[in-house]
Amino acid sequence: DAGVTQSPTHLIKTRGQQVTLRCSPKSGHDTVSWYQQALGQGPQFIFQYYEEEERQRGNFPDRFSGHQFPNYSSELNVNALLLGDSALYLCASSLEQGHTEAFFGQGTRLTVV
Amino acid sequence: GEDVEQSLFLSVREGDSSVINCTYTDSSSTYLYWYKQEPGAGLQLLTYIFSNMDMKQDQRLTVLLNKKDKHLSLRIADTQTGDSAIYFCATGANNLFFGTGTRLTVIP
Repeated sequence: DAGVTQSPTHLIKTRGQQVTLRCSPKSGHDTVSWYQQALGQGPQFIFQYYEEEERQRGNFPDRFSGHQFPNYSSELNVNALLLGDSALYLCASSLEQGHTEAFFGQGTRLTVV
Repeated sequence: GEDVEQSLFLSVREGDSSVINCTYTDSSSTYLYWYKQEPGAGLQLLTYIFSNMDMKQDQRLTVLLNKKDKHLSLRIADTQTGDSAIYFCATGANNLFFGTGTRLTVIP
């Protein structure tokens, strides 16, 4: 079992550009959540996808959007990048039915210059 | 929103016990979690406790939950240098609320 995999591992973008980050959930998991972890901080919830729909959203602007595919994988898109978007972006997967803990990927380190 | 507070730093000598504390505001969380993050890495789930439990032991890890005071602690017995990392307390259901993390340094 490969666990949660994210790509790319590192990314450098210029202010104003757009970025897409990708996540494949742990085998058997159907729910994907995205978190932003700024340097020295704990992760902050961006949004969660289940059945290809955004189910819950944290306090992030509309520049942050996402998608979930029929195979449960997910993308996070950020438009009009700001310097403050530089962070580690973490994907977590879980199973909707019953309680399953969230398993995290290794993250994508995004640097906006 | 939920507030989760942790002290920022903890140093212990190798072989001693470490106790990492956490306080939270949301009493509706069914589960409370402890995650470990090593430098440059993602989050590793260490353990979790159901909200109707007071204590959970898992090998060297002991989790204590005081629901009345909304206080959660993680005790690591016989702390090793490999335990040096940042430890996050988290609460929530569909979305997790994390503390700022406690950086544990183990001194050989």
